[in-house]
Amino acid sequence: DGGITQSPKYLFRKEGQNVTLSCEQNLNHDAMYWYRQDPGQGLRLIYYSQIVNDFQKGDIAEGYSVSREKKESFPLTVTSAQKNPTAFYLCASSIRGQFRSYEQYFGPGTRLTVT
Amino acid sequence: QKEVEQNSGPLSVPEGAIASLNCTYSDRGSQSFFWYRQYSGKSPELIMFIYSNGDKEDGRFTAQLNKASQYVSLLIRDSQPSDSATYLCAVRTHNTDKLIFGTGTRLQVFP
Repeated sequence: DGGITQSPKYLFRKEGQNVTLSCEQNLNHDAMYWYRQDPGQGLRLIYYSQIVNDFQKGDIAEGYSVSREKKESFPLTVTSAQKNPTAFYLCASSIRGQFRSYEQYFGPGTRLTVT
Repeated sequence: QKEVEQNSGPLSVPEGAIASLNCTYSDRGSQSFFWYRQYSGKSPELIMFIYSNGDKEDGRFTAQLNKASQYVSLLIRDSQPSDSATYLCAVRTHNTDKLIFGTGTRLQVFP
């Protein structure tokens, strides 16, 4: 089955610890995205990558880091510098054409709680 | 002014009725428009997308786009209790790969 997987589904960490969230897709999509969602708010873009070995900051990149060493994988690290890391983290991917990006599809998400 | 605005709701409709969800956007250069359905505790699921002015129908769903007035709507015909969810509007602006999301409208369909 083709799709996007995120692991783990729930993650608990102590304040001050870095944590890495996994995102893998087997859809052969070029572009991948990380969003966070807080209660009552829309999705906010953290980082995105259009091709392997390249990525761009989104609207709220501070305190986060990413890598894109393989087309299938786009892990997100939440560092201790992120002031309010508790949130629902969503990974998405899309095909990228020459002039446009196509529809984004989401993984199941990781709910991170930092205490 | 927010870039993508939606009424947070809840919008309550009886089973079998038409639910009408609306979204306005501020960037006139916006090119692509998406509707996602999100059940509580789950990730968003893409249900409709539209690129051209007019209507696009898919089963019980119709997306309507009016670029001159800068709004996009989603109609759900024959609403079912299983349609109860939050509906997110997303807009892709000119020459970017990024989507801007609204905060969503919560729909409640009661039997």
